[in-house]
Amino acid sequence: DTGVSQNPRHKITKRGQNVTFRCDPISEHNRLYWYRQTLGQGPEFLTYFQNEAQLEKSRLLSDRFSAERPKGSFSTLEIQRTEQGDSAMYLCASRPGQGRVSEQFFGPGTRLTVL
Amino acid sequence: TQLLEQSPQFLSIQEGENLTVYCNSSSVFSSLQWYRQEPGEGPVLLVTVVTGGEVKKLKRLTFQFGDARKDSSLHITAAQPGDTGLYLCAGGATGNQFYFGTGTSLTVIP
Repeated sequence: DTGVSQNPRHKITKRGQNVTFRCDPISEHNRLYWYRQTLGQGPEFLTYFQNEAQLEKSRLLSDRFSAERPKGSFSTLEIQRTEQGDSAMYLCASRPGQGRVSEQFFGPGTRLTVL
Repeated sequence: TQLLEQSPQFLSIQEGENLTVYCNSSSVFSSLQWYRQEPGEGPVLLVTVVTGGEVKKLKRLTFQFGDARKDSSLHITAAQPGDTGLYLCAGGATGNQFYFGTGTSLTVIP
């Protein structure tokens, strides 16, 4: 394993359905981030984990969104009662624990389309 | 709210031309990263700069961090079609968050 992986790569769902995405970070990285990116824009921060603890959440993360990282390894992002405005690319990134300026590495993303 | 503004937002140039992309903020960052992203893929890290005034070169790409650590620039010499993509800057603040710029979409025409 040499990088961050995300599954599925694409998800099409109907409005009102629930969806769950998975992120597997680089194995020795204890910090994990979720971002949302709409077409032509930069990623927007959603939430951050250090090990299994969710330490920061953006105001963008409404109560329909929940993220977990139960064992400090992989993470899941669930969106309940999806809305068309949730259509976006959802990106996961991981980062090693050492170093003030350690870099984050991104997965390929999950493209969500809500019909 | 985007803390980092990039300019230009779109850039279309001929192969062989030079270009500069700017990333500006009113905030001070402890580090700044540049990424390139291709359609349908996640951003790929190009470089991290941490010291005010720092200049880093990566083949035909030159990155500079402003003296006050509020801005940065990316200069590409003799652009090639393979340079096409969305260029993103991201600033690291005192916490664990990274703030991304608005992005610059570059198209290099053969």
